[in-house]
Amino acid sequence: AQTVTQSQPEMSVQEAETVTLSCTYDTSESDYYLFWYKQPPSRQMILVIRQEAYKQQNATENRFSVNFQKAAKSFSLKISDSQLGDAAMYFCAYRGWDDKIIFGKGTRLHILP
Amino acid sequence: GAVVSQHPSWVICKSGTSVKIECRSLDFQATTMFWYRQFPKQSLMLMATSNEGSKATYEQGVEKDKFLINHASLTLSTLTVTSAHPEDSSFYICSAHFGSVGYTFGSGTRLTVV
Repeated sequence: AQTVTQSQPEMSVQEAETVTLSCTYDTSESDYYLFWYKQPPSRQMILVIRQEAYKQQNATENRFSVNFQKAAKSFSLKISDSQLGDAAMYFCAYRGWDDKIIFGKGTRLHILP
Repeated sequence: GAVVSQHPSWVICKSGTSVKIECRSLDFQATTMFWYRQFPKQSLMLMATSNEGSKATYEQGVEKDKFLINHASLTLSTLTVTSAHPEDSSFYICSAHFGSVGYTFGSGTRLTVV
């Protein structure tokens, strides 16, 4: 079975600084998708970024980028120029052949003004 | 586009009663719907997968008789918590799958059983 591990329960970053959230996963599949989702206090799940495993190029969405290391099964999220609105719970997630999304335990990100 | 409307947002019910949560896809057809449960300050735990017109598939450890899922149409999936007890209190979220790799989430339902 696939697993997703986020080893940082909480992190803090100064406003305008850069922060990296870690995620590792375990799978025997060769083709899959990885996601980072943001859950603000409203608890609405918001897609931050998506990476297709067969693409070597790291995905980027404005201030958000990932470092995808397929061999190491690592998928970290970098947030540049952190803003107060980035404060939320961030979940790393995996989708395999069965279309199910499996989530990690999450990292709560605090932005310090 | 690809919006899922989930209702109710919150519900309080008495122990022993049943509660129904609805998720409607507003502008697309959701052939597959996933139901998650989230405890306070914890992750989303996948409960079951429902496909339109067929029986739901439940994850290991999820009581199918307690959490009844119906996906009778391409725009509506429902989760009914039967004979609810305080331990069923939680946050329930649906997620609809569309396209090849599109997922959209409902806004969630906070269930409190008293």
